[in-house]
Amino acid sequence: DVKVTQSSRYLVKRTGEKVFLECVQDMDHENMFWYRQDPGLGLRLIYFSYDVKMKEKGDIPEGYSVSREKKERFSLILESASTNQTSMYLCASLPLGLESWGVGRTGELFFGEGSRLTVL
Amino acid sequence: ILNVEQSPQSLHVQEGDSTNFTCSFPSSNFYALHWYRWETAKSPEALFVMTLNGDEKKKGRISATLNTKEGYSYLYIKGSQPEDSATYLCALTQGGSEKLVFGKGTKLTVNP
Repeated sequence: DVKVTQSSRYLVKRTGEKVFLECVQDMDHENMFWYRQDPGLGLRLIYFSYDVKMKEKGDIPEGYSVSREKKERFSLILESASTNQTSMYLCASLPLGLESWGVGRTGELFFGEGSRLTVL
Repeated sequence: ILNVEQSPQSLHVQEGDSTNFTCSFPSSNFYALHWYRWETAKSPEALFVMTLNGDEKKKGRISATLNTKEGYSYLYIKGSQPEDSATYLCALTQGGSEKLVFGKGTKLTVNP
């Protein structure tokens, strides 16, 4: 069974704290993503990584950074947590590159179960 | 920012009803359109990935169609069951990018 594991299901942090959200996948996938989900706004992409040490900004990168030192692990970092970062955070992985979405390939994103972060 | 629109935002149907919802997206530089189902307290799961204009995919009672020229996809559920209750997400990939951009989803509730 494919597995994307997020380190914490629920976290409560204080404003100004540094927060690490960890994600590990056991499928040897090249691409990994961090999304946040807020009511009425859907899933919004924060950052993604297409290889070790490579990263690209998504649509809402402000206030976040990421780290991909090993292929299986993609970390989301909140340098100084703020209340507007209270949200559900979802990690996902995807095999190969664009060719994974060609005819005959599934190319599906595999998601973790989510980390619900509350910043007080 | 790429705009992927889904309608309706939410839908309540009775068990046995058939239903459909829409995903609209920019047709330029299209690469792939994805549908996911997200049940409460679970992870989103892929339903379909479609890449060709006119594609039709089917999985049990759920099917999807794709029109890349006009920029829309329909998801159909035939004979809805309570276990179909979930949020259905569509996502777009454009050429040259691994980035998936999601719509806000359609929340389906099937009443027994």
